[in-house]
Amino acid sequence: QLQLQESGPGLVKPSETLSLTCTVSGDSISSTDYYWGWIRQPPGKGLEWIGSIYYRGYTYSNPSLRSRVTMSVDTSKNQFSLKLSSVTAADTAVYYCARIQSHVAVADTWGQGTLVTVSS
Amino acid sequence: DIQMTQSPSSLSTSVGDRVTITCRASQNISSYLNWYQQKSGKAPKLLIYGASNLQSGVPSRFSGSGSVTEFTLTISSLQPEDFATYYCQQSYNTPLITFGQGTRLDIK
Repeated sequence: QLQLQESGPGLVKPSETLSLTCTVSGDSISSTDYYWGWIRQPPGKGLEWIGSIYYRGYTYSNPSLRSRVTMSVDTSKNQFSLKLSSVTAADTAVYYCARIQSHVAVADTWGQGTLVTVSS
Repeated sequence: DIQMTQSPSSLSTSVGDRVTITCRASQNISSYLNWYQQKSGKAPKLLIYGASNLQSGVPSRFSGSGSVTEFTLTISSLQPEDFATYYCQQSYNTPLITFGQGTRLDIK
């Protein structure tokens, strides 16, 4: 059974870099049929797509965040990661990782999410 | 950028009601429209993909329709477990993704 699990610090200071990892079990991250994505949700607000990465390392990100987003994939550990630089309080959110069907961009499986708070 | 607009933003409903949620795209997205359900404190769950295809395991009271710029999600007879927030998402610009702002279903 496919499972995704986010991990990383729950508290990040303003101006620092937020770093999260998503560990995939039950499927290979090297599958050619999927992207692996990050989506966030500020408290009480809607969903915002951050970006997606293909196992070969091709990345695609939300234009509004592109200058601050770095994504990577580690196929040996079946993990992919997100770094968001120069964070502010506006980056406080629940961060989800998800498996996204590559040809139709359908997020068919999600992690449980992890709350990241930006505060000094 | 493709903008997605849902209406209404919230809806007070009762068990047994027929509910329709609308999602409009700012440009033609063909049938590249997906619907998700999110219960409080939980991750979103895929309900419908390609505008009208029911994801495996999703009850048949959920249905989707539409194309081009206007889409609807219909729940034929609302059940207690259906009170949640629903999001549409365009996948026309794959791999770039845009969500609607969400529609919250409350108990009347």
